Amino acid sequence: GAGVSQSPSNKVTEKGKDVELRCDPISGHTALYWYRQSLGQGLEFLIYFQGNSAPDKSGLPSDRFSAERTGGSVSTLTIQRTQQEDSAVYLCASSSRTLMNTEAFFGQGTRLTVV
Amino acid sequence: TQLLEQSPQFLSIQEGENLTVYCNSSSVFSSLQWYRQEPGEGPVLLVTVVTGGEVKKLKRLTFQFGDARKDSSLHITAAQPGDTGLYLCAGAPGNKLVFGAGTILRVKS
Repeated sequence: GAGVSQSPSNKVTEKGKDVELRCDPISGHTALYWYRQSLGQGLEFLIYFQGNSAPDKSGLPSDRFSAERTGGSVSTLTIQRTQQEDSAVYLCASSSRTLMNTEAFFGQGTRLTVV
Repeated sequence: TQLLEQSPQFLSIQEGENLTVYCNSSSVFSSLQWYRQEPGEGPVLLVTVVTGGEVKKLKRLTFQFGDARKDSSLHITAAQPGDTGLYLCAGAPGNKLVFGAGTILRVKS
């Protein structure tokens, strides 16, 4: 497809279980972002990948959160030992960085509910 | 503390009214973006402003970038129910794109 694809669209998990969220960015985009959004709120930055550079992990809220980007394309966000406060919509975005701007194209998100 | 402060947080107005949403920072940005997000969807880019003092118009929406490139505003003329959504400003201090907390706009018919 032409857009950013995220899966699953919805995930309900039990507290303490691990979850994996997947993001397929737009082909050729070198930058990939993960954000977290609580209901009606803004986007909380989690992690940023740019090409082959080391990722910027400064937004990850705890060591239970990790992310990988394989082959410069698909990314997986993993949350270990999920807690109820992890419930949110997780959004992935990709961009083709240019000199003057960094427009991001978003997927529809994964709604995570921890029960 | 948010790098980008948006105000107001919530706005509920009648169809046909005008409104302005603000995005402020103490930092200088090479560019700022405005996104609009509808429920169940990801944000979608509306505009990018890159030059201090720049004004861009998108139909009934007018975007302005401050002269010092630290702030931006979004003005909507004659708001319509279809304008309802979450409006987010974003900028890239360094390499990563960060967002303000957003303004929830509700336009009642």
